[in-house]
Amino acid sequence: GENVEQHPSTLSVQEGDSAVIKCTYSDSASNYFPWYKQELGKRPQLIIDIRSNVGEKKDQRIAVTLNKTAKHFSLHITETQPEDSAVYFCAASRRSGGYQKVTFGTGTKLQVIP
Amino acid sequence: DGGITQSPKYLFRKEGQNVTLSCEQNLNHDAMYWYRQDPGQGLRLIYYSQIVNDFQKGDIAEGYSVSREKKESFPLTVTSAQKNPTAFYLCASSRSRSGSTDTQYFGPGTRLTVL
Repeated sequence: GENVEQHPSTLSVQEGDSAVIKCTYSDSASNYFPWYKQELGKRPQLIIDIRSNVGEKKDQRIAVTLNKTAKHFSLHITETQPEDSAVYFCAASRRSGGYQKVTFGTGTKLQVIP
Repeated sequence: DGGITQSPKYLFRKEGQNVTLSCEQNLNHDAMYWYRQDPGQGLRLIYYSQIVNDFQKGDIAEGYSVSREKKESFPLTVTSAQKNPTAFYLCASSRSRSGSTDTQYFGPGTRLTVL
């Protein structure tokens, strides 16, 4: 089955600096890669996603890059703000056994220091 | 994420007791999912359903059961056979049962604690 590894597990940055979170996946059939932000005790919320026919996608301060050959994708947050502090999960999605199978990484706890 | 509700927010279970977690969506989504989240771990799939009256086991289905009698509802029962049920449970839904690139939207979660 699919295996998604996410690094680092914790990340502290100064406000205004950039943050980068990296994920690798194992199954070349994965073709959709969402990123979720989860605040403490809350639901995961989609912040950006990318499909396998695209190499990069940007939405204001957030960008995601995908390298299909190397099977890795990354989340980039620029000009970080205290409200960016949360746990971020990457995921890889594919069809498996007739349904959409989503495998999540183990999460990165981001702390933005004011 | 709006349009998916879970109840209760907090639930306490005694040893040997079955408890049922509610999940409702008004997004007209075909597919629904149950995940378990433990500290320091990602989300793990318990059960999923692509259509009414049909559901399949996920990666960690032992000790859990589900039903899908209505498109909008996908309740999860944590049975006494689940030996370590303390966790945060998340329900999710996605638009179609045939896609692989559909976004999954999550409910607010239920935190289950065994007394």
